[in-house]
Amino acid sequence: DAEITQSPRHKITETGRQVTLACHQTWNHNNMFWYRQDLGHGLRLIHYSYGVQDTNKGEVSDGYSVSRSNTEDLPLTLESAASSQTSVYFCASSEGSGQGLSPLHFGNGTRLTVT
Amino acid sequence: GNSVTQMEGPVTLSEEAFLTINCTYTATGYPSLFWYVQYPGEGLQLLLKATKADDKGSNKGFEATYRKETTSFHLEKGSVQVSDSAVYFCALRAAYSGAGSYQLTFGKGTKLSVIP
Repeated sequence: DAEITQSPRHKITETGRQVTLACHQTWNHNNMFWYRQDLGHGLRLIHYSYGVQDTNKGEVSDGYSVSRSNTEDLPLTLESAASSQTSVYFCASSEGSGQGLSPLHFGNGTRLTVT
Repeated sequence: GNSVTQMEGPVTLSEEAFLTINCTYTATGYPSLFWYVQYPGEGLQLLLKATKADDKGSNKGFEATYRKETTSFHLEKGSVQVSDSAVYFCALRAAYSGAGSYQLTFGKGTKLSVIP
């Protein structure tokens, strides 16, 4: 079965370190998204991509970057981790465009703690 | 911009009680509306959706009707079970096409606990 896999599931890092969270999907979806989930804020969009070599900033993109070198992967990098980036991170994907757009499929999340 | 407002939780109900979780939205045109559910330790799963006014989405006994006149998409279930305990998110996707229109805008989530 197709799926979307995030790794690691849990990560503890120190302030100032670079961290990369992996997202791999086997749906062959062209659209991929990164969200962060925080109590009292729900899910907020960090970055998104509509295809290979395409990346776009979301609502809370400062301090994060992504790259899309193939269809399956959209890694999220925290260039210099800050305590404010302690959160649960979700990757999601969808296919199609316009009226043919499919719902989002989510990974199980990565819980990141920055100490 | 687009926004989604959900009722504050947590909500605690007894098994077989009636559930309503309110959701209202702000958006231009006719967005698509969704309810997602998140079980502990898992990602979000699509529960139901509606893409035009007066559409009713339904799944697993849950229902929600797209009300354009009140900009609402309230989630209901006639008889909840312990297994329905989860966090529920209302979300919208903008009606316009082009860059930036494929992502979802989420509400803050409502935690539901159902006790036997």
